[in-house]
Amino acid sequence: DVKVTQSSRYLVKRTGEKVFLECVQDMDHENMFWYRQDPGLGLRLIYFSYDVKMKEKGDIPEGYSVSREKKERFSLILESASTNQTSMYLCASSRDRGDIQYFGAGTRLSVL
Amino acid sequence: QQQVKQSPQSLIVQKGGISIINCAYENTAFDYFPWYQQFPGKGPALLIAIRPDVSEKKEGRFTISFNKSAKQFSLHIMDSQPGDSATYFCAASMGNNDMRFGAGTRLTVKP
Repeated sequence: DVKVTQSSRYLVKRTGEKVFLECVQDMDHENMFWYRQDPGLGLRLIYFSYDVKMKEKGDIPEGYSVSREKKERFSLILESASTNQTSMYLCASSRDRGDIQYFGAGTRLSVL
Repeated sequence: QQQVKQSPQSLIVQKGGISIINCAYENTAFDYFPWYQQFPGKGPALLIAIRPDVSEKKEGRFTISFNKSAKQFSLHIMDSQPGDSATYFCAASMGNNDMRFGAGTRLTVKP
């Protein structure tokens, strides 16, 4: 079974803090994704990576950056957290870009 | 830009009833249409998927109906059960391109 593990289920941070969200997958997938999920807006793609050290912006990259130093690990970074970044963050991986995506359980981030 | 439009946003169905969730897409190049199911506290998981060469796919109580000319597809849950209460997302992708998700439907099945 594919397993996508997100390091934290819940995080509470202060405005202006630097926040790291970590994601690890165990299926040797080429592609990894970061989404945020907000009620009524569905899943919005923040960034994705199709190879180690490669990244591309998604639909809402502003205020975020990513890092992929190893194939199995994809990190989302909030350089200076703001209250409008309070959300559920989901990591996913897939073998091919248009293929089935396997999701982690999500990290619910609150920025106060 | 929302390439996949999903409705309704929320749905309440009695146990044993039929739940129907609809999606419409714009890009005729899409060739893969999955549905994901998400329970509270969990990430979305693939439920059922269809490709446009067939008009219907059934897996147990779950059926996808696909209308290529209308650019619409829908999920039907027969004999809905309280355990089906979840958020459902439709999605679409084409070849080696990103998957586009609908906004989600929160289904509640009342006992």
